[in-house]
Amino acid sequence: AQSVTQLGSHVSVSEGALVLLRCNYSSSVPPYLFWYVQYPNQGLQLLLKYTTGATLVKGINGFEAEFKKSETSFHLTKPSAHMSDAAEYFCAVSEAGANSKLTFGKGITLSVRP
Amino acid sequence: EAGVAQSPRYKIIEKRQSVAFWCNPISGHATLYWYQQILGQGPKLLIQFQNNGVVDDSQLPKDRFSAERLKGVDSTLKIQPAKLEDSAVYLCASSLPYGTSGSTGELFFGEGSRLTVL
Repeated sequence: AQSVTQLGSHVSVSEGALVLLRCNYSSSVPPYLFWYVQYPNQGLQLLLKYTTGATLVKGINGFEAEFKKSETSFHLTKPSAHMSDAAEYFCAVSEAGANSKLTFGKGITLSVRP
Repeated sequence: EAGVAQSPRYKIIEKRQSVAFWCNPISGHATLYWYQQILGQGPKLLIQFQNNGVVDDSQLPKDRFSAERLKGVDSTLKIQPAKLEDSAVYLCASSLPYGTSGSTGELFFGEGSRLTVL
């Protein structure tokens, strides 16, 4: 069975500071990994994904994440936070080669201070 | 390209009443999912369809929840009778089946239907 761990429920950073949101996964087969963002009263929007190939993936709005198999991690980073980045962020995993259902972590709320 | 459409956006009902949510996926997406998102938690898969067949409904509370996708396109999720703990956002998502040309495993989500049970 696959699972995702997102430690902590809330991260607060200053505008312009580094954003780091942590994600660890468990999967019995090679994983596909995703980060989704959710703004208030909206659905989930894909930020970036790792399927195969390059382990450092770049997404929208300046976010990137690195797949580290040895650490079973897929942490999300952004060099400089913007006020508009305030939202809830979900890490998700699916098993490559299987049906494509996603298993989500519990999410992290990102606040950005002026 | 039109996204995943869901209705209604908001619904308030009394406990023991029934409610139905509707979803129309992106055109050409054979796989459709219903997720339940309780406040402060990540989305939890309720049911997955491939065309009009059920792939996974292991976490669907079948004594009160039902879902159908009769013609392999749009889908309806029903709750009867509703309980207080069913208060949540119900998210519909769609995707191309794994192995299909252009498939990357990405799910496309609708804006959700927020249910409040009083």
